[in-house]
Amino acid sequence: DARVTQTPRHKVTEMGQEVTMRCQPILGHNTVFWYRQTMMQGLELLAYFRNRAPLDDSGMPKDRFSAEMPDATLATLKIQPSEPRDSAVYFCASGLAGTASYEQYFGPGTRLTVT
Amino acid sequence: GNSVTQMEGPVTLSEEAFLTINCTYTATGYPSLFWYVQYPGEGLQLLLKATKADDKGSNKGFEATYRKETTSFHLEKGSVQVSDSAVYFCALSGGGHGSSNTGKLIFGQGTTLQVKP
Repeated sequence: DARVTQTPRHKVTEMGQEVTMRCQPILGHNTVFWYRQTMMQGLELLAYFRNRAPLDDSGMPKDRFSAEMPDATLATLKIQPSEPRDSAVYFCASGLAGTASYEQYFGPGTRLTVT
Repeated sequence: GNSVTQMEGPVTLSEEAFLTINCTYTATGYPSLFWYVQYPGEGLQLLLKATKADDKGSNKGFEATYRKETTSFHLEKGSVQVSDSAVYFCALSGGGHGSSNTGKLIFGQGTTLQVKP
């Protein structure tokens, strides 16, 4: 049963530290999305990639967040330096673009707490 | 721009009650419509989808019909169970087809469903 995996599942860090979250999309999927979920803001799209190229990262604070896809099996989201307001659950999702409609498959999320 | 509006929650029901969660959308073109479900501590899972007007998506006893004339995609279930307690998200994507459809999803704010025994 193919699924999106994310590591770590939980991360507690101190303000100012660097945080790296990793995502392995489903094999064969060509689109990857990063979301952030908080009680106040709900689900926010941070960035997405198609065929490893960034299509839109307008949802990310550019000064501290960066997203990359070093290869087709790995997507990373990095925060440097982290701040308490970054505390949230970060989800990765993957999908197969190029059809009339396609769904996104979500990973279990990384729960980040910045103290 | 495109948007999705869901009824506010929480929705609290007794087991075996009928469920309706309202969802309306604003979009150009011909979007696809989705319902996702999020159980506590988990990521979102696709529950059902519909890709064109009058399509009915169904899964696990849930169903929703794509109504273009009312721009709605309401979620229904005839008899809810305690295990259906979760947050439900309505979403739309595209408006384009094929390679022009990036698959970017626009989500509603989510509706929490609590089912009591």
